[in-house]
Parts: sequence; C-alpha cells; structure tokens
Amino acid sequence: AQKVTQAQTEISVVEKEDVTLDCVYETRDTTYYLFWYKQPPSGELVFLIRRNSFDEQNEISGRYSWNFQKSTSSFNFTITASQVVDSAVYFCALSGGVNFGNEKLTFGTGTRLTIIP
Amino acid sequence: SQTIHQWPATLVQPVGSPLSLECTVEGTSNPNLYWYRQAAGRGLQLLFYSVGIGQISSEVPQNLSASRPQDRQFILSSKKLLLSDSGFYLCAWSMDSYNSPLHFGNGTRLTVT
Repeated sequence: AQKVTQAQTEISVVEKEDVTLDCVYETRDTTYYLFWYKQPPSGELVFLIRRNSFDEQNEISGRYSWNFQKSTSSFNFTITASQVVDSAVYFCALSGGVNFGNEKLTFGTGTRLTIIP
Repeated sequence: SQTIHQWPATLVQPVGSPLSLECTVEGTSNPNLYWYRQAAGRGLQLLFYSVGIGQISSEVPQNLSASRPQDRQFILSSKKLLLSDSGFYLCAWSMDSYNSPLHFGNGTRLTVT
C-alpha cells in the first residue's frame, strides 16, 4: 500500500527565515510521481511541482527548491527567505503505478506553515 | 486558459436535507474530473472521479453520489445529508493523461446541522 507521511503538522517561522517541509513516502512501484500542492487560506489547492521517480535532480524555482532522494524515500520542500504570502497548508502527494492515473493519488495530511511578520 | 468554477462557496444544511454541489471547467475538453473531501485537520479523500460523460467511479461508499451530465460539468449530490458529511469539498480537473497535475476549484465548505 502507498503511504505519504508529513510528520510536521504545523511549523511557524519568522519572515525571511528558511524553512523545510518534510515528505516521506512508501511505495512498491518502481515508476511513480511525486507532487507538492499549496493550499492558501482561500482554500483551493495550487499545484507546485511534479517529479518522476527517475529524475533525482534537485529543482529550484525562485525561492522554492525541492530535494528528491530515492535512497531515503523523501521529497522535501524548502522555502528560502520566507514571506507572509507563503503561509498555507502544503501537501505532498504520491501517484500510483504506471497503470494508474490520479485516481490512485495518495496525499499526505499536510503541513500548516505560518510565516510570522 | 483553463478555469474551474465551483459553487456554492459555503453551505449550511440540516440533517436529512438534499445536497447539490456543482463544478464546471472551461477552456479544455474531455478533462478528468474529481470530487475530494477534506475533513478538518486531515488530508484529501477522493470521493468520485470521472473520465468521461456518464462515467463515474466511486472510491468511498457513502450516501453521496456524483454525475457528469456534460463534458465539463460535475455534480456532487446527496438525497439525505448526514452530520458526518460536513467538510470541505473540492472539485478538480486534470488533462486526460497519466498523472498530469490536478487543478482545483475554490472549494465548498459544507456544514450539516
């Protein structure tokens, strides 16, 4: 069975600090996708990134960066120089195997990030 | 560009009353459509998904149902609401391809009293 663990339920940091959100996953599939979504106070989830299991390169997008390590089954998300607008709940998600689409997407329980001005 | 509309934003309904939540997508054709529920402090639970008109798959047995009368319209219904149906309901769409990203609506906060 697939599982996504976001052990950090809530994190608070002062503005401009860096913060890392942890995501650990379990799967028996050799091919899979990992996602991060952001849920601001307005409610809708916003897609941030998708990585496939064969691409372990770290990715950077502005102040956001993602560290994918298959050896530790982790896909951590770092926000550099945090801003108040980064306050949101962040979800990590894991796809099903090659024969499945989003109907087999497994979400973590989310990490609520609060940036203190 | 593609947009997704979901309404109403909030809803308070008594136990035993019916429910109808609607979701429409614009700017794309033949999307995959999804209904999720988010209980307080929990992750997202997939309720229904649809890969085409009239094609509905249920992930969790319950007193809710879904319908897709048109290509870009997805409706979540109940004949009689239960207290346990309270939650935040999110509609989402994705391209008709393998594990393409989900695009969510703004959600409906349902309170059953």
